[in-house]
Amino acid sequence: GESVGLHLPTLSVQEGDNSIINCAYSNSASDYFIWYKQESGKGPQFIIDIRSNMDKRQGQRVTVLLNKTVKHLSLQIAATQPGDSAVYFCAEISSYFRASKIIFGSGTRLSIRP
Amino acid sequence: DSGVTQTPKHLITATGQRVTLRCSPRSGDLSVYWYQQSLDQGLQFLIQYYNGEERAKGNILERFSAQQFPDLHSELNLSSLELGDSALYFCASSGRGDFSGEQYFGPGTRLTVT
Repeated sequence: GESVGLHLPTLSVQEGDNSIINCAYSNSASDYFIWYKQESGKGPQFIIDIRSNMDKRQGQRVTVLLNKTVKHLSLQIAATQPGDSAVYFCAEISSYFRASKIIFGSGTRLSIRP
Repeated sequence: DSGVTQTPKHLITATGQRVTLRCSPRSGDLSVYWYQQSLDQGLQFLIQYYNGEERAKGNILERFSAQQFPDLHSELNLSSLELGDSALYFCASSGRGDFSGEQYFGPGTRLTVT
C-alpha cells in the first residue's frame, strides 16, 4: 500500500518495552480527542478517545494522557508488540452549535525492534 | 474488516476529468464521513452526511461535492481534477451524528491524477 507520510518522525522501541507517542494540539477550545492507528495500506483505526474534562483514560494496553495547560496529548502503549507497528496520529475535535471541526496531527511512525 | 466498503480501490485519470468515489457504510450506521489523505497535507476532513443530510463541512473544495442516498451509501464527486488532487480518499461511518465515538474507516480509494 501507499506509504503515509514518508518523512514522519519515527519512534523505535524494543519489543516488550512501553511506547510513548506525543501530540501537540492547536486549539485550546478543542473538547474531544482521539488517537488513531494506521497500518500500511489500510484506513485509520480508532484506538482510544478522551474528553477535555478528563486528564487520563485507560484502555486495553493503552493509556491516553491529556494536559490542557500545555495543549499536549500522549498515547502510552504497554508491552509493545510487533503488531503495534504503524503510524499513530491524534485528532482534536472542537464542537460548536450544530457544527464540529476535526483536525488531525501529522503522525508518528512506531517501529518495533525484535 | 471494518464493514465499510469503498469502490474503486484505485483510480487513474487525467487532469480536468471528473470521477465519482463510492462508499457503503456499516450496516445501521447513519453517518458517513469523507477524508482526504495526502503525503504533504496528511489526513483532512472533507464532509459528513447524517441520514441523507449534510451535517459538517471541512476543507472541501468547491470542485468537490458529495451526497448520501436513501440507502445510506454515499458518493464523493471530484471534478476539474488537478495534479494536487492525487491522494487517498477514505470514507468512514459511525452511528453517531458528530465526531464522537468510533468511526469505522474503509480501505480507501487511491486517486492518481496524471
